[in-house]
Amino acid sequence: SYELTQPPSVSVSPGQTARITCSGDALPKKYAYWYQQKSGQAPVLVIYEDSKRPSGIPERFSGSSSGTMATLSISGAQVEDEADYFCYSTDSSGTHWVFGGGTKLTVL
Amino acid sequence: QMQLVQSGPEVKKPGTSVKVSCKASGFTFSSSAIQWVRQARGQRLEWIGWIVGGSGDTYYAQNFQERVTINWDVSTSTAYMEVFSLRSEDTAVYYCAADPYITYAFDIWGQGTLVTVSS
Repeated sequence: SYELTQPPSVSVSPGQTARITCSGDALPKKYAYWYQQKSGQAPVLVIYEDSKRPSGIPERFSGSSSGTMATLSISGAQVEDEADYFCYSTDSSGTHWVFGGGTKLTVL
Repeated sequence: QMQLVQSGPEVKKPGTSVKVSCKASGFTFSSSAIQWVRQARGQRLEWIGWIVGGSGDTYYAQNFQERVTINWDVSTSTAYMEVFSLRSEDTAVYYCAADPYITYAFDIWGQGTLVTVSS
C-alpha cells in the first residue's frame, strides 16, 4: 500500500522558519495537502494543492512540491504554531488516499 | 456557516457494529464530498474512505473495504459510516470531513466521535 513519509519531529526557535517534509512516490503527479492538528482538536487544512492557502490561514504558512517531496514551510514560526502536521495525498490511481505519519512541531 | 455535527460517543463490544452520523449545514451537501478519518490515541490520522456528491460513488481504503460502509441521506444532509465486526483496535476518534467543491480540500471537519470497543 502507498505511504507518505514525514520526519517524526521538527524543532525551531520562535521567529525561525520551520520546514516539514513529506515524501511519496506519487507526489510528482499528485497534489499534497497539509493539516495542522492541535492536541484534542480536529485537524485544520492549512495548505491544499501543494501551495494554496485556505482563507483564514496566516500568510506565514506556505507549501511547495518538487519531485517526490512536498514541503510545508512556516516562516516566522510562533509558539501558537506548535502542533502535529500531517501531509495527505493519493496514490497513482487517485482513488486511495493516505496521511503521512505526522510531524510534531515544537517552537521554543 | 458551514459545519458538520457528529453523533455522540459509543461503547461497543467486540464483534458488534457501530454507525456514526455526520449532519451537514451551510453548504450544498449533495454536490460535496464527505470523507471519514479515524485516529487512535497518539497515532496518525487514518483515511477510511469517502462518498462523492452527484454520483454517490464510494471509495474505501484497502484496510476497511470489507468492514466499512459509507452512505448518506441527501434529504437530511447526513452522512453515515458503519463499521462491522468491531475489534479492540478499532477504538479511536472517528471524524467526518467535507469538501464542498470536490477539490479534495477537506476544510470542514466534524468534532469527532469516540468509539470505544471493549468487552
